[in-house]
Amino acid sequence: DTAVSQTPKYLVTQMGNDKSIKCEQNLGHDTMYWYKQDSKKFLKIMFSYNNKELIINETVPNRFSPKSPDKAHLNLHINSLELGDSAVYFCASSQSHEQYFGPGTRLTVT
Amino acid sequence: QQQVKQSPQSLIVQKGGIPIINCAYENTAFDYFPWYQQFPGKGPALLIAIRPDVSEKKEGRFTISFNKSAKQFSLHIMDSQPGDSATYFCAASTGRRALTFGSGTRLQVQP
Repeated sequence: DTAVSQTPKYLVTQMGNDKSIKCEQNLGHDTMYWYKQDSKKFLKIMFSYNNKELIINETVPNRFSPKSPDKAHLNLHINSLELGDSAVYFCASSQSHEQYFGPGTRLTVT
Repeated sequence: QQQVKQSPQSLIVQKGGIPIINCAYENTAFDYFPWYQQFPGKGPALLIAIRPDVSEKKEGRFTISFNKSAKQFSLHIMDSQPGDSATYFCAASTGRRALTFGSGTRLQVQP
């Protein structure tokens, strides 16, 4: 069984569009994250969220917003997509220190 | 500001060799130091982790060495195999906060 899953695996869209990436975890964890991996493979936190607290990395544009319908899901909504948003986006979850990552969503903005 | 610096950027070793990847951190509040392994097209997978109250941790062929006073930690892979060829990331966090990653090391183990 997949612990942390993301859909879609690949997403190709045009500038200016609005898109969403879904994340689900079946580990019973209480904290979920979104990370961005750029073309140089550098991984950087975007958001961390549990039912009590949303922490937003100050460098993340407000076009990006996390939405959590329940404890097992943390979706990422992106408005007005830009070329620079092209990257691989990873969802992760944790209960303590150990974070477990999903397979990633490769977003390409044309 | 890069809070976790990782080196080398890339590393080539022969099968059976012992690649060593080094990381240095700045934030003394970090209290958890994991290493992740990432294969192309896959998500990072937790390999091994250490807390600052121990100087070494071994899990199978992977060993973390930790030097709190120098604010450095390293990953050693014993008896490396071609299947170990991947990108390795060190990371650090405080409490249950998000991870701060190093820039990654691309390891190639030649047969």
